[in-house]
Amino acid sequence: EIVMTQSPATLSVSPGERATLSCRASQSVSSNLAWYQQKPGQAPRLLIYDASTRATDIPARFSGSGSGTEFTLTISSLQSEDFAVYYCQQYNNWPRTFGQGTKVEIK
Amino acid sequence: EVQLVESGGGLVKPGESLRLSCAASGFIFSSCTMNWVRQAPGQGLEWVSSISSSSTYIYYEDSVKGRFTISRDNPKNSLYLQMNSLRAEDTAVYYCARKRLTGDHLGAFDIWGQGTMVTVSS
Repeated sequence: EIVMTQSPATLSVSPGERATLSCRASQSVSSNLAWYQQKPGQAPRLLIYDASTRATDIPARFSGSGSGTEFTLTISSLQSEDFAVYYCQQYNNWPRTFGQGTKVEIK
Repeated sequence: EVQLVESGGGLVKPGESLRLSCAASGFIFSSCTMNWVRQAPGQGLEWVSSISSSSTYIYYEDSVKGRFTISRDNPKNSLYLQMNSLRAEDTAVYYCARKRLTGDHLGAFDIWGQGTMVTVSS
């Protein structure tokens, strides 16, 4: 099983600042990596797929990069609606696995 | 509108069974690989099971193998999860999710339902 490790667990950021979230895979997943956003009481929402492609209707302030085992989600200028938990997921191997999540909170 | 709506959750005792359903609308359900993903209270996301468009390929997370069965009825645009021998650790919100149409088995989950809560407790 591929283990996905996200860091940090919690990120405290002021509105308007840049946020950088990391995700590491225990073995290569090529570019088969997605990022999801989840707000309390809501279902996850797909933000980024194939490591760097924004999903439909996702603002340009969200960007993804990386391949192999190291991936990054960057939010260029945090808006109030961006405070949430973010998960990475690999879909290169079975079982599909998620990271434990990074909570982005207001500083 | 593209939509997934889960139902069938509830409170059951350890060892009992439950069947979850997911009704799809707004897209060609029969062309899509579908998934179940769960989230225990206050915890992260855990993939549970996947089924290909024609039910040819089925996969399970290890802890549910032999206890859970995923299935689909394409004419009814419905996905199911039969859960037997339920355990306390199966307590979670269960989401159905669609895999992006990619032409192969690889793809992120682009559409999610709102989830249905399953509680296993004596």
